[in-house]
Amino acid sequence: DIVLTQSPGTLSLSPGEGATLSCRASQSINSNYFAWYQQKPGQAPRLLISSASRRATGIPDRFSGSGSGTDFILTISRLEPEDFAVYYCHQYGSSPWTFGQGTQVEVK
Amino acid sequence: QLQLQESGPGLVKPSETLSLTCTVSGASISSPSHYWGWIRQPPGKGPEWIGSMFYSESPYYNPSLKSRVTISVDTSQNQVSLKLSSVIAADTAVYYCARRLIGWGAFDVWGLGTKVTISS
Repeated sequence: DIVLTQSPGTLSLSPGEGATLSCRASQSINSNYFAWYQQKPGQAPRLLISSASRRATGIPDRFSGSGSGTDFILTISRLEPEDFAVYYCHQYGSSPWTFGQGTQVEVK
Repeated sequence: QLQLQESGPGLVKPSETLSLTCTVSGASISSPSHYWGWIRQPPGKGPEWIGSMFYSESPYYNPSLKSRVTISVDTSQNQVSLKLSSVIAADTAVYYCARRLIGWGAFDVWGLGTKVTISS
């Protein structure tokens, strides 16, 4: 199984600041099959980025994804109040499809 | 507007079979462009993929659950079903159904999820 390790576990930031979230895979991934999700309490995950860097429909351009191989990054350029949530990375190119353990972005 | 709605019992006894249904509205489950899948999320943990299927093909499962899982589609009802047998406490989770675009698409539409507790 491909293990996805996200860092940091928690990111404490203020609105307006930028955020950089990391996801490292235990083996190389085809970046076409890599995604990022946002999840708020009591809600289903919401797709932000697929194919490592393609924003999903309706996702603001302050969210951007990059990376390849084993190292992937989600960048939020300027945090808005609604961006404080848990973020998960996900690979769906190698079975079993796996998710990271999450990074919580909290208000400082 | 596409909506996915999970339904089923919220409490299941250990060793019994968990049965859930996902009703799809606003799109056909026979779409040639989409897979349908089940994902679960234990309390306080990240999501775990259970399995997926294309309406006209055999499903494929997470190997860790394969011996206990059955996913099927009912095109007449526009539903996807999940059965998980011999459940244990560790199967307690919120269960989601979701749609994935074929090719490079990720799970882009999710149901609200249904909480299932395994307890006697």
